[in-house]
Formats: sequence, C-alpha cells, structure tokens
Amino acid sequence: GAVVSQHPSRVICKSGTSVKIECRSLDFQATTMFWYRQFPKQSLMLMATSNEGSKATYEQGVEKDKFLINHASLTLSTLTVTSAHPEDSSFYICSAPRSGGPGELFFGEGSRLTVL
Amino acid sequence: GENVEQHPSTLSVQEGDSAVIKCTYSDSASNYFPWYKQELGKRPQLIIDIRSNVGEKKDQRIAVTLNKTAKHFSLHITETQPEDSAVYFCAASASGGGADGLTFGKGTHLIIQP
Repeated sequence: GAVVSQHPSRVICKSGTSVKIECRSLDFQATTMFWYRQFPKQSLMLMATSNEGSKATYEQGVEKDKFLINHASLTLSTLTVTSAHPEDSSFYICSAPRSGGPGELFFGEGSRLTVL
Repeated sequence: GENVEQHPSTLSVQEGDSAVIKCTYSDSASNYFPWYKQELGKRPQLIIDIRSNVGEKKDQRIAVTLNKTAKHFSLHITETQPEDSAVYFCAASASGGGADGLTFGKGTHLIIQP
C-alpha cells in the first residue's frame, strides 16, 4: 500500500515555542492531506484539510493562527503549532488519500507533542 | 455534516468468541464506510471497508455489513485472537473517502480475554 511518513514522532517543547510537524507521501502525490488531533482514548478529530497550492480548510473551532498549515508540494504538508501551551499536548496525525485510488486514506505514524 | 455514532465504547470477549461493533451515520449521501484498527500509539490501519452498493463484505475472520435504509453498519470479528485487541474506529464519507476525508466514530476498545 501507499506510504505516508510523519516526522517527528515525538517532540517535547517548552511553553511558548513553536513546533513543526511534517507529513510526507512517499510513493504517491497527494493534492489533499488531512490533519487530525487525538486525545488519549479518544477518536481522531479532523482539524483541517490541507490543499496543495492553496489555503487550508479548517474545521469549526480550530484556530487558524494557532495551527498553521502549509502544503507547498504534492508530497509534503506541514503543521506548525505556534506558541504552544500545555493544552496543545496531544497526538497529531496526518493522512492522505491516493488520487485515483479506491478512497482509502493512508495515515502517518503520528506525532506526540508534549508541551511543558 | 456527517455524524457517526459507535457502540460499544469497550468490548471484552473471550478468545475464540465473536465480537460485533456497531455504527450509525446521519448523512444519507455517505457512500464509503471503512473500519480502522489502531494499536496504542500507532497509526490507524485500514482492516476492511464497504461501499454503499454492497450489503456485506468478508475478509477471512472479518466481515462488515451495511444497512443503507437504517443507516447503520457493523464490524464482525470471528474466532477472536489476542492480537485482535486494539481500538477500532468506524468512519463514513460522502465522497468515497477522498476529497472530503472521513468522519470517525468515537472508537471501541476491544479486549480479548485469554
């Protein structure tokens, strides 16, 4: 199957700093990528849809200035958590559908962010 | 928008028994229903999916059924094994899972008792 790689897998940062998470489709091009947030023992909550070459579409309640998304190429989308605070600590995971495929989403490994 | 309800939140079964997880959806336009298995701290993995033109699909010990009229779909795992222990998520999409992504259920923690 298709491969989506996410980096870093774990990051610990101080409150007030910014953290960038990368999501790459390794063997296919992804015009769209999705970013999710997952709290312990909870479901994946869609944060935003990343669109190559255009602005991301954010879900209701997600702060655009807080969670900056850039999709500069067909294989890379980045999520930057700006001025991170302890409440931003979570598991962030991306996914991408393969164009022309049957509709399956391919997920990255996820990134666990801990803000001290 | 789409709303997906999943039950139960926790399911404990004896090894070798069957497990059934049920989901309902609200958007009658939804046409793609995947099931994902997620082990602790890992990425969700697709285990089976079904489209709205099919009522049932089976892959070895795993099967999914879809009732479009009632807007519900279920995951059936037979002859459960310890490695089946994980969190299972159902999802629904009105665009085949592509451009608009998926709406996920809240998940079911399946525990296989030895």
